[in-house]
Amino acid sequence: QSVLTQPPSASGTPGQRVTISCSGSSSNIGSNYVYWYQQLPGTAPKLLIYSNNQRPSGVPDRFSGSKSGTSASLAISGLRSEDEADYYCAAWDDSLSGLVFGGGTKLTVL
Amino acid sequence: QVQLQESGPGLVKPSGTLSLTCAVSGGSISSSNWWSWVRQPPGKGLEWIGEIYHSGSTNYNPSLKSRVTISVDKSKNQFSLKLSSVTAADTAVYYCARAWKVVVAATPIFFFDYWGQGTLVTVSS
Repeated sequence: QSVLTQPPSASGTPGQRVTISCSGSSSNIGSNYVYWYQQLPGTAPKLLIYSNNQRPSGVPDRFSGSKSGTSASLAISGLRSEDEADYYCAAWDDSLSGLVFGGGTKLTVL
Repeated sequence: QVQLQESGPGLVKPSGTLSLTCAVSGGSISSSNWWSWVRQPPGKGLEWIGEIYHSGSTNYNPSLKSRVTISVDKSKNQFSLKLSSVTAADTAVYYCARAWKVVVAATPIFFFDYWGQGTLVTVSS
């Protein structure tokens, strides 16, 4: 059971906008930054969003992050087939004094 | 370009100790970064195991703390993971990763910017 809660799956058609939610608590998302990682099949995770809504160099602006209270969201606009991957949210947890991840969301591009 | 490469036995017997090493190239392990281990059981999500700074300071996941030791070898530019008393539940792909960890306005910023390719460790007799 993951500390952060994500829907196990999401889907969309090419060109659509999809959002993936991540729910936590006051000790993690509520008081710390949220990060998003993309994991393509058979590869290591890749940083997609840091500090709630910042994109590392090279990440397309189709990807955006937001946070409100104890929840966060990742939005992907202009969905493309290469976006099919697993997406994980993460945050520091003050109570656990450690980094916690969500259970991951498998995005399917129909 | 920083590169990380995990190495170690792919098979460990139950109750034994899992030992992995992460070699860092293209950058110094003595930089202002933390160095972490993350694992992923087959078909499941990510779990942070712990981290180490080049000074030797460590932080561990509370759920694994009693069994985990992370160490650093600055002369070889590498860091290592030892996980004792392993069971089948410890079967996973183990990743090493470089972490940016800074505090801004009393809020920690902590993310992984470089990852190793991962190595599968199976616990079985």
